[in-house]
Amino acid sequence: NAGVTQTPKFRILKIGQSMTLQCTQDMNHNYMYWYRQDPGMGLKLIYYSVGAGITDKGEVPNGYNVSRSTTEDFPLRLELAAPSQTSVYFCASRRDPQRNYGYTFGSGTRLTVV
Amino acid sequence: TQLLEQSPQFLSIQEGENLTVYCNSSSVFSSLQWYRQEPGEGPVLLVTVVTGGEVKKLKRLTFQFGDARKDSSLHITAAQPGDTGLYLCAGALLTSGTYKYIFGTGTRLKVLA
Repeated sequence: NAGVTQTPKFRILKIGQSMTLQCTQDMNHNYMYWYRQDPGMGLKLIYYSVGAGITDKGEVPNGYNVSRSTTEDFPLRLELAAPSQTSVYFCASRRDPQRNYGYTFGSGTRLTVV
Repeated sequence: TQLLEQSPQFLSIQEGENLTVYCNSSSVFSSLQWYRQEPGEGPVLLVTVVTGGEVKKLKRLTFQFGDARKDSSLHITAAQPGDTGLYLCAGALLTSGTYKYIFGTGTRLKVLA
C-alpha cells in the first residue's frame, strides 16, 4: 500500500529554472494538497484540489501552478525558481473534507534554489 | 489571520522523563489533530479530538482537547528515544461550508538515551 508518493526526494535548481514536483496517490482520495514547510513556520498551503479537473489556491500560491487531470496525480509546477522557494514540499491527500479524516502525507521533496 | 501556536518550540529531555506540549489559539476549532514527523519524512497522524474536554490515549501519549475547543495538549509519559520528532497540531475551522485546516508551528522533541 504505497499511499502518497512524491518525486524527486531532493533537487537543486538555479534561479530562473523550472521544474515539476510529482505526486501520486493510490487511495482513490478526491482531495489533494500541496504544502511547503519552512523552519519554524509550520505547513503553509500552496494549492489544493477537490477532484479531477478542479484546483484552487491556498495561502501562498504565487510562483506555483498545479493541474489535476486524474484522481491519482497532482503535480506542482515551479516556473522561474527563486531563492524564496527553497523549502521542503509535501503533497497530501484526504478521503473527504469531513473533520475526522486526517491527511496522508508523502515523504517530501527538499528543494534548494541557488 | 488564524494562528495556532505551539509551545515549547524545542524540547530536549532524558529518556524516562515526562513532558507536555501545548497547542493554543484564539479560534474555536471543530476538531484538532496531532501529527508526528520524523526527519526526512512527512507528518503522520496520531490522533483526532473532536469534543471539548475530550481525552484520548495512545500508549504512553495522552491528548486532551480544551473545554472551549481553542487549545490542546499532548502529554508523553516515560519518553523514549523513539518519541523523537516534530509534533504538529492542526485545527479544523469551518469556513463558508468547508473545513480549512490550520497547522501549528511545531514542537521539536529530542529524547536522549
